[in-house]
Amino acid sequence: EPEVTQTPSHQVTQMGQEVILRCVPISNHLYFYWYRQILGQKVEFLVSFYNNEISEKSEIFDDQFSVERPDGSNFTLKIRSTKLEDSAMYFCASLGGGNTGELFFGEGSRLTVL
Amino acid sequence: QKEVEQNSGPLSVPEGAIASLNCTYSDRGSQSFFWYRQYSGKSPELIMSIYSNGDKEDGRFTAQLNKASQYVSLLIRDSQPSDSATYLCAVNPQAARQLTFGSGTQLTVLP
Repeated sequence: EPEVTQTPSHQVTQMGQEVILRCVPISNHLYFYWYRQILGQKVEFLVSFYNNEISEKSEIFDDQFSVERPDGSNFTLKIRSTKLEDSAMYFCASLGGGNTGELFFGEGSRLTVL
Repeated sequence: QKEVEQNSGPLSVPEGAIASLNCTYSDRGSQSFFWYRQYSGKSPELIMSIYSNGDKEDGRFTAQLNKASQYVSLLIRDSQPSDSATYLCAVNPQAARQLTFGSGTQLTVLP
């Protein structure tokens, strides 16, 4: 069964450093997403991406964040100048076909900022 | 602010019982509703979707939707210890292609 894959599974970084989280969405899906879940809190929407541009973004997704699809398969989230409060699980998701709204999530990348 | 509210629990039920999980949402124009299961440290896993008023059954799971009351629920029949997880209600707000999640209900099924 097709699945969303994410790398790395865990990244530890120093405050102020830049990190790039990578995702390979399901191949025939057209919408891609990044969500964040701080430990013990709810899953929060960051950004959606369609047709090589941002479709929607939340208030959390400020200038510190950027997304791109550098090639036909990878979808990346870049976090510049990381802060302690950026420590969280970051989930990539892609939208299934048929306009059902069903999102399929990757296993997540745990980011720890020290 | 579009909100999705759930009782955080924890909810404990004995093995074999029915677990009932509830969710309310604020955006009256929402069209699609989902239940995800999340084990500790893992990603959300889609278990049910519902789009119209009424009940939808899939195995031991039944989702119920009442758009007039802005209420969606999940029933788990014959609960098993492996059902112990956090259950996330997610709603697709009107004119959006992303999901808003509730904070989740932690369910424990006691052997």
